[in-house]
Amino acid sequence: EVQLLESGGGLVPRGGSLRLSCAASGFTFSGYVMGWVRQAPGKGLECVSTMTGDSVYTYYANSVRGRFTISRDSSKNTMYLQMNSLRAEDTALYYCAKRVGPQGAFDYWGQGILVTVSS
Amino acid sequence: EIVLTQSPGTLSLSPGERATLSCRASQSVNNNYLAWYQQKPGQAPRLLIYSASTRATGIPDRFSGSGSGTDFTLTISRLEPEDFAVFYCQQYGSSPLYTFGQGTKLEVK
Repeated sequence: EVQLLESGGGLVPRGGSLRLSCAASGFTFSGYVMGWVRQAPGKGLECVSTMTGDSVYTYYANSVRGRFTISRDSSKNTMYLQMNSLRAEDTALYYCAKRVGPQGAFDYWGQGILVTVSS
Repeated sequence: EIVLTQSPGTLSLSPGERATLSCRASQSVNNNYLAWYQQKPGQAPRLLIYSASTRATGIPDRFSGSGSGTDFTLTISRLEPEDFAVFYCQQYGSSPLYTFGQGTKLEVK
């Protein structure tokens, strides 16, 4: 059974930093693109970053490029999102998600972790 | 930059009825890499359809996807009580690489 478990969220002041983790199990972690999708309170979905299974290719949304860094450790089956220079508009529920394949859809999601940036 | 526009914003129907949700892209979706998700309150999104018409694992066959190019449709043939939720479409491949629509809320009439 595929499981994705996020951790590391919380309350952080504007301009601060936070690192999210996503522990994966139930599939061959290194074989899949993984990503972070966020949802601001009462709003829609935004894919902020993804990384290929070999850690070679990354994607960042314009809204976070230069501030967020995605990484993964296949020895620990864990993905990370280092978030720096946080802004009020980064307040959201952050989901870890596994991509189904080359088609670009996300077939498994974690339960989400809340990040609140205080202004 | 590609934009996905979903319509209607809210759809009010009764159990047993047919639901038709639309997702229109501002430019052609590469390889028809268009997905649909269902999200219930307090839950993560659930993948229903990918590649425009392929049902994800475990999705009932009352859910179907169709369309190509810029116009896509999610159809729920006969609504069950548990189907009422918010639905999002998502494209992959055009800039920005991943884009979601703004969502359609399917509510009980």
